[in-house]
Amino acid sequence: DAGVTQSPTHLIKTRGQQVTLRCSPKSGHDTVSWYQQALGQGPQFIFQYYEEEERQRGNFPDRFSGHQFPNYSSELNVNALLLGDSALYLCASSLDRGAYEQYFGPGTRLTVT
Amino acid sequence: AQSVTQLDSQVPVFEEAPVELRCNYSSSVSVYLFWYVQYPNQGLQLLLKYLSGSTLVKGINGFEAEFNKSQTSFHLRKPSVHISDTAEYFCAVSEKAGTALIFGKGTTLSVSS
Repeated sequence: DAGVTQSPTHLIKTRGQQVTLRCSPKSGHDTVSWYQQALGQGPQFIFQYYEEEERQRGNFPDRFSGHQFPNYSSELNVNALLLGDSALYLCASSLDRGAYEQYFGPGTRLTVT
Repeated sequence: AQSVTQLDSQVPVFEEAPVELRCNYSSSVSVYLFWYVQYPNQGLQLLLKYLSGSTLVKGINGFEAEFNKSQTSFHLRKPSVHISDTAEYFCAVSEKAGTALIFGKGTTLSVSS
């Protein structure tokens, strides 16, 4: 049973560019959440997708957007990259009904230069 | 608003010694509490969770935690640690099942021989 997968593993971008990160949830899960983990910090919630709609959003600017596809996979898009966007981006999946646990992927390390 | 405070940023300990990692939370409503572990260059793995019921929760790898509502704490303990327990540990809280997790800044557990 495949767990949560994310691609790419690492990414280097230049300030002002745009980036797309991808996530496939654990088999059977229908909800995807995205978190940003800066170096030496705990993960911070960006947003959550369920039934292809953004259901909950954290305190992140509109430069951060997402999408969920009918197969429950998800994308995180960040526009106009800033140096401060450099972080590990974690995707977590869960099951909406009776869900208490979020299962995390290995993350995508984004470096903005 | 919810918040999580992990009282120790680093905890060094010798192999086979007991350890306690401290976590306090603030919330005006009932919460769900979690401990996650992150090994170097990996995503987060759930150690244990408190949803309701018994205040003593047992998790994987010999870890346990006790929920104390009056002190708003959820400390993680292990009676005898191994070198392989060296990792970053995160305490997290959510107000509703499956919704955003609010993480603490993490505690680095370093186990030496």
